[in-house]
Amino acid sequence: NAGVTQTPKFQVLKTGQSMTLQCAQDMNHEYMSWYRQDPGMGLRLIHYSVGAGITDQGEVPNGYNVSRSTTEDFPLRLLSAAPSQTSVYFCASSYGASGSDTQYFGPGTRLTVL
Amino acid sequence: AQKVTQAQTEISVVEKEDVTLDCVYETRDTTYYLFWYKQPPSGELVFLIRRNSFDEQNEISGRYSWNFQKSTSSFNFTITASQVVDSAVYFCALSEASFNKFYFGSGTKLNVKP
Repeated sequence: NAGVTQTPKFQVLKTGQSMTLQCAQDMNHEYMSWYRQDPGMGLRLIHYSVGAGITDQGEVPNGYNVSRSTTEDFPLRLLSAAPSQTSVYFCASSYGASGSDTQYFGPGTRLTVL
Repeated sequence: AQKVTQAQTEISVVEKEDVTLDCVYETRDTTYYLFWYKQPPSGELVFLIRRNSFDEQNEISGRYSWNFQKSTSSFNFTITASQVVDSAVYFCALSEASFNKFYFGSGTKLNVKP
């Protein structure tokens, strides 16, 4: 099992550019989520999905879009990058959407927006 | 509202010292889950432990131990005989019972010096 994989590991964008952060898991997990990590703020939830075709907003969704066409993949799209989106992005997955399900995290994508 | 506070921003110890990382949480739920994750310098998030709100037994795993006290809403993490490899940022997180949304603390950076 590769677990949760994310690509790219690093990315530099210019303000206004768009891009997609990729996330995939091979554990047949139903629940997937995206977090951003900023210094001194822990991780904050951007979007989540409880299964293919179902997505919803988290705590900080503005400027991001998601879709979930398959169980395995959960890409995060930045529509028009802004310097405030400079952050480390983590994708996570868990077997189910219950609070008791442990979330397993990918290695992260470090994004810089100039 | 759910909230997790890790008041210790950074701790430095010398190898072989014991160290305790504090975690205080707020929730109105009677059923909830608490987690600890480790983020080594390489950046990934590694799951350490999950505890549900009905299980107040302390847990020990090798040099790691966790003390859960509902009366003080705390879930503290102790490393005994610390090692340089323990140097990392440690995150405490709270999850609602009904839904797998994590509320993370801001993290504690542990520096273990040889």
